[in-house]
Amino acid sequence: AQKVTQAQTEISVVEKEDVTLDCVYETRDTTYYLFWYKQPPSGELVFLIRRNSFDEQNEISGRYSWNFQKSTSSFNFTITASQVVDSAVYFCALSEASGGSYIPTFGRGTSLIVHP
Amino acid sequence: DAGITQSPRHKVTETGTPVTLRCHQTENHRYMYWYRQDPGHGLRLIHYSYGVKDTDKGEVSDGYSVSRSKTEDFLLTLESATSSQTSVYFCAIMGQGPNTEAFFGQGTRLTVV
Repeated sequence: AQKVTQAQTEISVVEKEDVTLDCVYETRDTTYYLFWYKQPPSGELVFLIRRNSFDEQNEISGRYSWNFQKSTSSFNFTITASQVVDSAVYFCALSEASGGSYIPTFGRGTSLIVHP
Repeated sequence: DAGITQSPRHKVTETGTPVTLRCHQTENHRYMYWYRQDPGHGLRLIHYSYGVKDTDKGEVSDGYSVSRSKTEDFLLTLESATSSQTSVYFCAIMGQGPNTEAFFGQGTRLTVV
């Protein structure tokens, strides 16, 4: 069974600090997909990134970067020079390719609070 | 933005009454999901659908039923609402497979008093 663990319940930083959100996953599939979503205080869920299990290349998008390491089953998310607008709950998710049901499983989320 | 809408957005209901939440999509996506979000639990799957009239249970399905008679609509019914079902409910849609991201509706805040 697939499982996603976000051990950090809440992180509090001061603006301009770098912050890393951890995500550890479990799956028996060799083909799977990992995602990060952002939920700002307004409540909607916003897709940030998708990564497949065959692509371990790290990705950078502006102040956001993602580090995928199959050896440690981790898909961590780093925000560089955090801003108040980054305050949100961030969810990591996993979808397996087998079985045909394609059910995204979510971690419990990490609440990031960025203080001015 | 993906065309997915939930209705109602907010609802207060009394214990023991039936409640139906609607999810409507205009993307013609095959997969649809109902999740509930509670503090400390993240998003938990209630039911999902992989086609018209094809549905299955998720992690927290007790007390809930679903129906999907058309591609675009996925209904979640609380047969007899309880206070433990007070939550924020999200509908999600997904395209052809696990390599596509899920798009979420805006959520329905349900309060059972």
